Amino acid sequence: DGGITQSPKYLFRKEGQNVTLSCEQNLNHDAMYWYRQDPGQGLRLIYYSQIVNDFQKGDIAEGYSVSREKKESFPLTVTSAQKNPTAFYLCASSNRGLVGDEQFFGPGTRLTVL
Amino acid sequence: AQKVTQAQTEISVVEKEDVTLDCVYETRDTTYYLFWYKQPPSGELVFLIRRNSFDEQNEISGRYSWNFQKSTSSFNFTITASQVVDSAVYFCALSEWGGATNKLIFGTGTLLAVQP
Repeated sequence: DGGITQSPKYLFRKEGQNVTLSCEQNLNHDAMYWYRQDPGQGLRLIYYSQIVNDFQKGDIAEGYSVSREKKESFPLTVTSAQKNPTAFYLCASSNRGLVGDEQFFGPGTRLTVL
Repeated sequence: AQKVTQAQTEISVVEKEDVTLDCVYETRDTTYYLFWYKQPPSGELVFLIRRNSFDEQNEISGRYSWNFQKSTSSFNFTITASQVVDSAVYFCALSEWGGATNKLIFGTGTLLAVQP
C-alpha cells in the first residue's frame, strides 16, 4: 500500500539533545512537508521540499533542520536551539508541490522534551 | 494577509443530528484553494475535499456536503445524520496561488464530539 510512514510514534528527549524524526513516502511524490501541531492550534509549516536536494524554510523553521537526499525521505532534526520542541509533528507529501495539490499526511510523531 | 478562522472550538451533538462546521478565510489572491481535513484520535490528517476559487458549486458526498460562498468568504462543512465515527477534529485550510508554493494555512480546528 502506498503511503507515508513516520517513526517513531512517540519520542522523548532530554533538554539539550538533538533528535531526528523520520519520514518516508512511497507515493513517488516530488514534494514533502513538515508541520508542527500544538494543542488547540492548527498546523504550522516548518520546512518544505519540492525536489531532491532542495528545501525551503516555512513559517517556524528556527531550531529545526532538514535534508532531502532521496526522493522518498525527508528527515527532520529538532535541535537544542528549538525553545519549545514538545509538539506533534506531521509529515506530508504532494505529487508535484504545485499550489492546490492535495497533501497526504503521515500518522505523526509526538515529541516530548523531559 | 491570509488567514483561516474556525470560530467553533468544540461542538457536541447527539448521533443522527445534523451539524455544520464553519470556516471563514481571508486572502488577497483571486486564485486559491480551500481544503477540509479530518483528524481522528489517531492523529493522521485525512483529506476530505478541495475546492478552487473559481468553482462555487456546492458539493455533496454521501452524508457530507460543502457550501462555498465567495461573497462571505466562507467554506462551511455539513455532516448530515452524524455518527459516532465522525468524532474528530476538523481543519479548514487555504492555499494561495500567489504563494508560489503549496503551503497550507490551517485554521485552529473544530473538535466534533458525536454522542451515541
